[in-house]
Amino acid sequence: AQKVTQAQTEISVVEKEDVTLDCVYETRDTTYYLFWYKQPPSGELVFLIRRNSFDEQNEISGRYSWNFQKSTSSFNFTITASQVVDSAVYFCALSELYNQGGKLIFGQGTELSVKP
Amino acid sequence: EPEVTQTPSHQVTQMGQEVILRCVPISNHLYFYWYRQILGQKVEFLVSFYNNEISEKSEIFDDQFSVERPDGSNFTLKIRSTKLEDSAMYFCASREPGQGVLDSNQPQHFGDGTRLSIL
Repeated sequence: AQKVTQAQTEISVVEKEDVTLDCVYETRDTTYYLFWYKQPPSGELVFLIRRNSFDEQNEISGRYSWNFQKSTSSFNFTITASQVVDSAVYFCALSELYNQGGKLIFGQGTELSVKP
Repeated sequence: EPEVTQTPSHQVTQMGQEVILRCVPISNHLYFYWYRQILGQKVEFLVSFYNNEISEKSEIFDDQFSVERPDGSNFTLKIRSTKLEDSAMYFCASREPGQGVLDSNQPQHFGDGTRLSIL
């Protein structure tokens, strides 16, 4: 069965610290897609990054980077030099190739609080 | 940048009443979705819609729920007889098709949501 687990419910850091958000997923599909979304206090869901299961190269985009480890079914997300505006709930999500509708399965979310 | 728009932003309805939530997806997108988020909880999939029919629906999406794309631009979610437990934030999302094996790869873009409060 497909499942996404974000074990960290809340994280609090001081501005300029680096912070890593953990995500572990379960899927029976060999081809799948992973996403991170941000939900700021205003409530909207903002797409941040995606990764295909067949591409294990880790990347950096500005202050964001992600570490995809297929062997441990993890897709962790790091914010470097955090800022107060990064305070939000972050959701990891999974979409499977066999599922033609492409629904997203979300984790429970990690609430990040960045203090000045 | 094109965006998904949802109306109204907040809907208050008496239990047992019908409610229609409206969404205008991004114009070149072909896949449409509804999700809901009960306060403080995770985002849950309700239904996906493609080529004028439902692709998949969750256990939550029972006979009280229906979706429609009446005019090629709007995408609506109707709850026929609302219950207290339907109170939640409802998000509409859309995505463009991928290419072949990457079809599910394209990110879904979400609207700002409609907060539904059932009294």
